[in-house]
Amino acid sequence: AQTVTQSQPEMSVQEAETVTLSCTYDTSESDYYLFWYKQPPSRQMILVIRQEAYKQQNATENRFSVNFQKAAKSFSLKISDSQLGDAAMYFCAYRATSGTYKYIFGTGTRLKVLA
Amino acid sequence: DGGITQSPKYLFRKEGQNVTLSCEQNLNHDAMYWYRQDPGQGLRLIYYSQIVNDFQKGDIAEGYSVSREKKESFPLTVTSAQKNPTAFYLCASSRTAAYNEQFFGPGTRLTVL
Repeated sequence: AQTVTQSQPEMSVQEAETVTLSCTYDTSESDYYLFWYKQPPSRQMILVIRQEAYKQQNATENRFSVNFQKAAKSFSLKISDSQLGDAAMYFCAYRATSGTYKYIFGTGTRLKVLA
Repeated sequence: DGGITQSPKYLFRKEGQNVTLSCEQNLNHDAMYWYRQDPGQGLRLIYYSQIVNDFQKGDIAEGYSVSREKKESFPLTVTSAQKNPTAFYLCASSRTAAYNEQFFGPGTRLTVL
């Protein structure tokens, strides 16, 4: 069965600095999607960034980028120029490209941004 | 505006009572999902529906039931058989089951007293 592990329950970063959130996963599939979702205090889940496993190029969305290491089954999120609005829970998620299309979520990392 | 609505935002029920959580979407999405969120456990899939009149159990379906009679609606009933129903419940939808993005509703916090 697929699993997603986020080993950092909480992280802190100074405003304007860079922070990296870690995520590892386990799967026997060769093709799949990986996601980072943000959940601010409002608890509305927001998609931050998405990576397709067959693409070697790391996905980037403005200040958010990923380091996707397929062989190591690692999918970290880098937030550059951190802003107070980035403070939230961040969830890593996995989804296969076939079968039931179920999403598997990690346990989350709480990010604090210090002014 | 297109989106997913969940009502109410906060719900209180007495132990032993069934309660139904509402989820409505006007995105014309085929697939809909229910997740449960507990502190320190991320999101866990309760039920999902890939198309109208069809649904499948997720990882923690015991004590829950759903229906999908209309494309835009996917209500979740928390029954008295659910041992620990107090949690935050999130509904999501996707254009199709295979589409690689889910959109989430604002969630319902259920507290069973």
